[in-house]
Formats: sequence, C-alpha cells, structure tokens
Amino acid sequence: AQSVTQLGSHVSVSEGALVLLRCNYSSSVPPYLFWYVQYPNQGLQLLLKYTSAATLVKGINGFEAEFKKSETSFHLTKPSAHMSDAAEYFCAVSDQTGFQKLVFGTGTRLLVSP
Amino acid sequence: DTEVTQTPKHLVMGMTNKKSLKCEQHMGHRAMYWYKQKAKKPPELMFVYSYEKLSINESVPSRFSPECPNSSLLNLHLHALQPEDSALYLCASSQAPNEEYNEQFFGPGTRLTVL
Repeated sequence: AQSVTQLGSHVSVSEGALVLLRCNYSSSVPPYLFWYVQYPNQGLQLLLKYTSAATLVKGINGFEAEFKKSETSFHLTKPSAHMSDAAEYFCAVSDQTGFQKLVFGTGTRLLVSP
Repeated sequence: DTEVTQTPKHLVMGMTNKKSLKCEQHMGHRAMYWYKQKAKKPPELMFVYSYEKLSINESVPSRFSPECPNSSLLNLHLHALQPEDSALYLCASSQAPNEEYNEQFFGPGTRLTVL
C-alpha cells in the first residue's frame, strides 16, 4: 500500500526565508502525489499535484514541488515565506486501485515569524 | 461554482441525540467523501460514494450512517455518538471516481462536539 512520510512535525522560518517541507513516498509504481494546505479552522486546499508530465510542479501561492524518483521524494518549497503561509501542510498519495483513497502524511505545521 | 459547502459549521450534541451533517457541491462531481479529522492529526477516510453508491466504508461504526440522496448532496447521520467522536468532519468531492490524478476538493468542515 502506498504511504507518505513527512519529516518534521513543525518547521519554523522567518518571513522572507526559504520554505522547505519534506515528503517521501513509498510506492513500487509511479505514485500520484498531492500537497494540501489547511489554515486554522478550515478545510483542505489543494496546493499542487504531481501528474508525471513534469518533475517540477508549480502550484498556487508561489509554492512548487519537485518529484525525485531516485530519492522517492516530493518536497514542497517556496522561495520567500510570507506570514500568511503559516498553516498545516499535508502531503498525500492516491491509491492506485480505484484512485479513490487519499492517504495523508502526518502533516507539518509551518510557523512564520516576522 | 467551485465550492463544497457544509452545514452546520459547529454542532454540539449529547450522546442520545440524533443529528445530521450536510454536504453539497455543484461542480458535477460524481464522487463524494466523508473524512474525520482529530486535532493535530491528518484526515482519515470514512466513506466514499461513487455515482451515488457507497463504494468504500472504512469499517466505520454503525452510529455513523451516510446517505447520498443525489449527485450533489451527501449527508452523514449521527446517532448515539461517544465523546471520542468529537472531531472536525470534512466532506470532499472529486470529478470522477477511478480516474488518475483524482484531486479532491474539500469543504470547510463541521466541528462536532459530543457531550
């Protein structure tokens, strides 16, 4: 079964600094990977998804992620953090028997200080 | 309309009450989902409806009863809940079941407290 691992339950950055949130996947076949963001007391919003068309995926709000098969990784980055980026970020993988199940990582809380 | 709406936003109920959560989407999506999310945890899948038929039940206790009256509407009926059922209940929808890159769109959730 597919799974994802997010390293670091909390990441703290200063405003304007690089954001790097880590996600590693476990899959014997090409995975279907997603990054979602959850602001306090809200639902989840899709940031980006890996579709195998390109290894570098650009998403909303200036985020991007690079798929690296050799490292089984799909890390999320943003060149310059903004205070409004403070939220919980979830990496997720879709199962490939029906594509109906999303399996989420444990999440990483991004803290942005002025 | 690219939204998934959920009502109510907050719900407090006793263990003997019967209540329902409602979810609606008007994007023409044919798959709808219920998730449960405890504090500081990722969402956990409960049910999946595919073309208005229940396709996945993740061994959820029978005190949770889903219903999909039509392709736009999804309900979750609650009865005899326990305090540990207190959580954020999220609804999601996706365009078509069984398709690759089947991204799910989430509603804002219903915050449920069981006393």
